Amino acid sequence: KNQVEQSPQSLIILEGKNCTLQCNYTVSPFSNLRWYKQDTGRGPVSLTIMTFSENTKSNGRYTATLDADTKQSSLHITASQLSDSASYICVVTTKEGSYIPTFGRGTSLIVHP
Amino acid sequence: EAQVTQNPRYLITVTGKKLTVTCSQNMNHEYMSWYRQDPGLGLRQIYYSMNVEVTDKGDVPEGYKVSRKEKRNFPLILESPSPNQTSLYFCATWDRLNTEAFFGQGTRLTVV
Repeated sequence: KNQVEQSPQSLIILEGKNCTLQCNYTVSPFSNLRWYKQDTGRGPVSLTIMTFSENTKSNGRYTATLDADTKQSSLHITASQLSDSASYICVVTTKEGSYIPTFGRGTSLIVHP
Repeated sequence: EAQVTQNPRYLITVTGKKLTVTCSQNMNHEYMSWYRQDPGLGLRQIYYSMNVEVTDKGDVPEGYKVSRKEKRNFPLILESPSPNQTSLYFCATWDRLNTEAFFGQGTRLTVV
């Protein structure tokens, strides 16, 4: 069964600090991996997409990495801001069949001043 | 502007009273899906649809019904709501080429 596991489940950091969120998946065959940011009570919004051939991609202070061999991805947040407080969800899509994405449970990040 | 519109945003109802949560998208996407989100459990798929008149069960379909009579609309129906269906519900849509999921604003349902 396709699965996406995220760690840690929750994280508290001080404003200005960096942090890294992890995602491991078993989805096969792999099409792409997206990281979404979900603010409290709102729908998730895509931050970045990683395809098989991409190792690193940046979107402002967010940098995603992908190791397709070990089926791992990370999301690194640099110089965190209070507005980064949210849930970050890793989503992996297969390239066959129904194209239904598999969602991780998310990492809840709290940034304190 | 690309939009996924859910209604209502908030709903409090009593056990057993049928209700419908509507979802509409203006992006002409093939795929639509309903999720519920509960603390610590993440987004869990209820039902999804790959096209008009094509629907399938997700991971937690019990107690829910859906229909896809038109491409843009995908209503979620609770025939006899129970308190364990109290949750935050999201509708999402995407297409096969892009795979970016666009979510509605969410519907917070309370069943008493």
